[in-house]
Amino acid sequence: AQSVTQLDSQVPVFEEAPVELRCNYSSSVSVYLFWYVQYPNQGLQLLLKYLSGSTLVESINGFEAEFNKSQTSFHLRKPSVHISDTAEYFCAVSVNRSGFNKFYFGSGTKLNVKP
Amino acid sequence: GAGVSQSPSNKVTEKGKDVELRCDPISGHTALYWYRQSLGQGLEFLIYFQGNSAPDKSGLPSDRFSAERTGGSVSTLTIQRTQQEDSAVYLCASSLAGFRGNEKLFFGSGTQLSVL
Repeated sequence: AQSVTQLDSQVPVFEEAPVELRCNYSSSVSVYLFWYVQYPNQGLQLLLKYLSGSTLVESINGFEAEFNKSQTSFHLRKPSVHISDTAEYFCAVSVNRSGFNKFYFGSGTKLNVKP
Repeated sequence: GAGVSQSPSNKVTEKGKDVELRCDPISGHTALYWYRQSLGQGLEFLIYFQGNSAPDKSGLPSDRFSAERTGGSVSTLTIQRTQQEDSAVYLCASSLAGFRGNEKLFFGSGTQLSVL
């Protein structure tokens, strides 16, 4: 069975501080990994994804995530956060089942950046 | 349209009534997903459409829930005899083809359903 665990439901952090949002998954088959972000009053949108190749992937707004196969993790990091990063972040895995993708999402982590 | 459109954005109903939630995916997207987001929970998979057919309905919580998709485009999620535990945000997402694991999902803004 597949599952995605985000241990931290809320992460408060001060502006310009580093942050790590944790994500662990369980799967018996190969997966693709994603982080989606939901800004206040907006729909979910893709932040970054790992498909293959380099285990470190980056987004255009300074976030990065590293795929660690041995630890089945895909933690999201940013060295210096901004107020505008305040949002809810969802980790997801995609598994190909019977010819289509089934996406499993974590419970989300609310990042609250304080001035 | 430019994105995935869901209507209504908010729906308040009385326990026992039926509701219909609509999703209009991005034009040309053959895959369509319904998810439910309850307070403090992750996104719960409900159903997946490839074109007009639904190869995976395993996430529908009970037989009160049903969904259809017509013309490979608009989808309707129907909840019959609503219960208070049905209160949640219902999200629709679409993707281009659905059978490639690397596809990006495009989400609508959701329908907030409140059952009184």
